[in-house]
Amino acid sequence: AQTVTQSQPEMSVQEAETVTLSCTYDTSESDYYLFWYKQPPSRQMILVIRQEAYKQQNATENRFSVNFQKAAKSFSLKISDSQLGDAAMYFCAYGSSGSEKLVFGKGTKLTVNP
Amino acid sequence: DTGVSQDPRHKITKRGQNVTFRCDPISEHNRLYWYRQTLGQGPEFLTYFQNEAQLEKSRLLSDRFSAERPKGSFSTLEIQRTEQGDSAMYLCASSLRSTGQETQYFGPGTRLLVL
Repeated sequence: AQTVTQSQPEMSVQEAETVTLSCTYDTSESDYYLFWYKQPPSRQMILVIRQEAYKQQNATENRFSVNFQKAAKSFSLKISDSQLGDAAMYFCAYGSSGSEKLVFGKGTKLTVNP
Repeated sequence: DTGVSQDPRHKITKRGQNVTFRCDPISEHNRLYWYRQTLGQGPEFLTYFQNEAQLEKSRLLSDRFSAERPKGSFSTLEIQRTEQGDSAMYLCASSLRSTGQETQYFGPGTRLLVL
């Protein structure tokens, strides 16, 4: 079974600085997808970024980018120019091509300090 | 374009009672998912539907849990004889089937507290 590990329960960053959230996963599959979701306090989960495993190029979405290391099974999220609105729980998730369910990590709580 | 909606947003019930939650997916989405999230954890998959067919169920979905999506639109999740361990946030998500793994869009969740 696939597992997702987020080793940083909490992280903090100064406004306008850069922070990197870590995620590792375990799988024997070669075709899969990885996601970062953001869950603000008392608000719904929204997609931040997704990466297809077959793509070598790292995904980027504005201030958000990933460092996808397939051999190392690592999928970190970099947030540049952090803003107060980035404060939230961030979940890394794995999706297999053979199954529709997502497997989530336990999350990292990000605090942005003014 | 309205997102995924869930009703109720909060539910408090006594142990042993039955509860039912509703999820309305994004209108053109044919796949619908239920997840459960407990405090300090990430969401855990419960079940999913493609149109009205329930295609996968987790071992977490005990006999007391039942989900339906009768017309391939909204879905209901019922918990019978609730237990304190059922207290959690129940999340619904939807997606549009395409090749590969689609992006799942989540609703705001229903927070259940069993006393």
